[in-house]
Amino acid sequence: AQSVTQLDSQVPVFEEAPVELRCNYSSSVSVYLFWYVQYPNQGLQLLLKYLSGSTLVESINGFEAEFNKSQTSFHLRKPSVHISDTAEYFCAVKAAGNKLTFGGGTRVLVKP
Amino acid sequence: DAGVTQSPTHLIKTRGQQVTLRCSPKSGHDTVSWYQQALGQGPQFIFQYYEEEERQRGNFPDRFSGHQFPNYSSELNVNALLLGDSALYLCASSLGLAGRSDTQYFGPGTRLTVL
Repeated sequence: AQSVTQLDSQVPVFEEAPVELRCNYSSSVSVYLFWYVQYPNQGLQLLLKYLSGSTLVESINGFEAEFNKSQTSFHLRKPSVHISDTAEYFCAVKAAGNKLTFGGGTRVLVKP
Repeated sequence: DAGVTQSPTHLIKTRGQQVTLRCSPKSGHDTVSWYQQALGQGPQFIFQYYEEEERQRGNFPDRFSGHQFPNYSSELNVNALLLGDSALYLCASSLGLAGRSDTQYFGPGTRLTVL
């Protein structure tokens, strides 16, 4: 079975400052990794994913995540956040079968 | 290109009642998964449908059942509602079961409140 731990439940950050959201997973088999973002009262939107190849993956809106197999981590970073990045972020893994296993989420509050 | 749609948006039921939630997958997708997201938590996998059959199931009781139609749309049914069933129910669609890399795309969800 897989499990995902998001180490920070809330991350307050000032606008234009960098942010890092931590994600660690546990799995006995190889996994695929995803970050989803959820804006208030909305569903989940795919932010980025790691399937294979380069361990550094990027999204179109400036986020990046690095897959670290030895540390079983997939931390999400953005060098400069905007007010519009205020949302909840979920890390998820997929191994055998097609189900996604999610972490508990990290709420990012960007302050002006 | 239509994304994943869900209906209704909100629903209020009382304990013991039954509810049906509906989902239409993204155009071109044939696999539908359902997730329950309780307040302040991450989504939990309920089950997945492909070719009108339940293919995988999470740790949910038999009160939770589903169906997939020939046009790939899906329903989630919950019987004998409990207060703890109050949550956001999310539908996700993807293409096929063959590739573990298939990305799931989520709908906006149905907010169920059980009183």
